[in-house]
Amino acid sequence: EAGVVQSPRYKIIEKKQPVAFWCNPISGHNTLYWYLQNLGQGPELLIRYENEEAVDDSQLPKDRFSAERLKGVDSTLKIQPAELGDSAVYLCASSLEPNLRNEQFFGPGTRLTVL
Amino acid sequence: GESVGLHLPTLSVQEGDNSIINCAYSNSASDYFIWYKQESGKGPQFIIDIRSNMDKRQGQRVTVLLNKTVKHLSLQIAATQPGDSAVYFCAEKEAGTALIFGKGTTLSVSS
Repeated sequence: EAGVVQSPRYKIIEKKQPVAFWCNPISGHNTLYWYLQNLGQGPELLIRYENEEAVDDSQLPKDRFSAERLKGVDSTLKIQPAELGDSAVYLCASSLEPNLRNEQFFGPGTRLTVL
Repeated sequence: GESVGLHLPTLSVQEGDNSIINCAYSNSASDYFIWYKQESGKGPQFIIDIRSNMDKRQGQRVTVLLNKTVKHLSLQIAATQPGDSAVYFCAEKEAGTALIFGKGTTLSVSS
């Protein structure tokens, strides 16, 4: 079974440029998460979707970040314009809820470098 | 308050030794606790979880201990192998809320 797929794996852009990340969750998973992971830190939730609905976006900086999950499957996360401080790994995860094990399956992440 | 176990950012062990990784959590209302393993260039991978009504749970070569009195969680890895080298994160979750990850511990296993 294929895991969570993310692309691109690496992205280098100059500040003030836009950037987009794509995530394909595990087939059948209704819940999708975007996390930000700074170097040496644990992942921090940006947004959580249940099917097409964003149910928790309280930590998403909405002035520059946006996300969508059309049709409740794939998702994109966009930053416009990017800032130097946005350099990090952006992780996508998915799960099938309800889930007694609270298990989320993570993709490999997209490493963003903003110059 | 202080946690019993000291969080160490790095832990170095010899192959075959037992490893203990500690974590202090913050939310008394958390009812699930999870350990994740993250290898270089990969996303975190679920290892084991424990509910707040338990104080110990065992898996294959891993044991998680929960001490709610001092809000402390530990992961024990038996007979540590080079393939166990990774960053380990604990995470806590209150029902209906998001996972909150703690500080990672980098485990290095030398043969």
